[in-house]
Amino acid sequence: DAKTTQPPSMDCAEGRAANLPCNHSTISGNEYVYWYRQIHSQGPQYIIHGLKNNETNEMASLIITEDRKSSTLILPHATLRDTAVYYCIVRATGTASKLTFGTGTRLQVTL
Amino acid sequence: DAGVTQSPTHLIKTRGQQVTLRCSPKSGHDTVSWYQQALGQGPQFIFQYYEEEERQRGNFPDRFSGHQFPNYSSELNVNALLLGDSALYLCASSPYRDRNNQPQHFGDGTRLSIL
Repeated sequence: DAKTTQPPSMDCAEGRAANLPCNHSTISGNEYVYWYRQIHSQGPQYIIHGLKNNETNEMASLIITEDRKSSTLILPHATLRDTAVYYCIVRATGTASKLTFGTGTRLQVTL
Repeated sequence: DAGVTQSPTHLIKTRGQQVTLRCSPKSGHDTVSWYQQALGQGPQFIFQYYEEEERQRGNFPDRFSGHQFPNYSSELNVNALLLGDSALYLCASSPYRDRNNQPQHFGDGTRLSIL
């Protein structure tokens, strides 16, 4: 699975959009980009995933560049409950292959 | 619809002992993966079970073993515990044939402390 690079930490004011970047320059054509987050003392929570098109769900939007070498997770209106570690993961399609986590981005949402 | 459930939530053992952790997958999922998360680190893949067989394995010693039952639930066993085995152990489930690339869903883990 391709390696990902994320900033170790970011801050965001409550109510503002949080934009979390991820570089995955060695991604292969059959690999999806997944985003999870982990709130303290809980298991990772799935947020969103995509292959090459932008995706949106009730939690977030995922923007993938045309060359697929980077992506951005957007939380449109961050709240204090969005404070967590956010992980960007690339994973091959097909059977339920393993997830390879990095150290993620610690997002702190402040008043 | 119950998600992934793990038991126990916390466990304290001493060096050299053995431990068994349990996981029930999300309804409709037939594949269980186990991860170890040390403090301040991301989860690390241990192994994955499907059809009661180990299908993939990460870089963990043979002291780590597992089992999957016909109802898809799973156990993680760790023998000869070391201080370094102290971690949060996470279970994740998914459908094996994830043609739509469905995500793995995680439980809240078992916090294992070795004294």
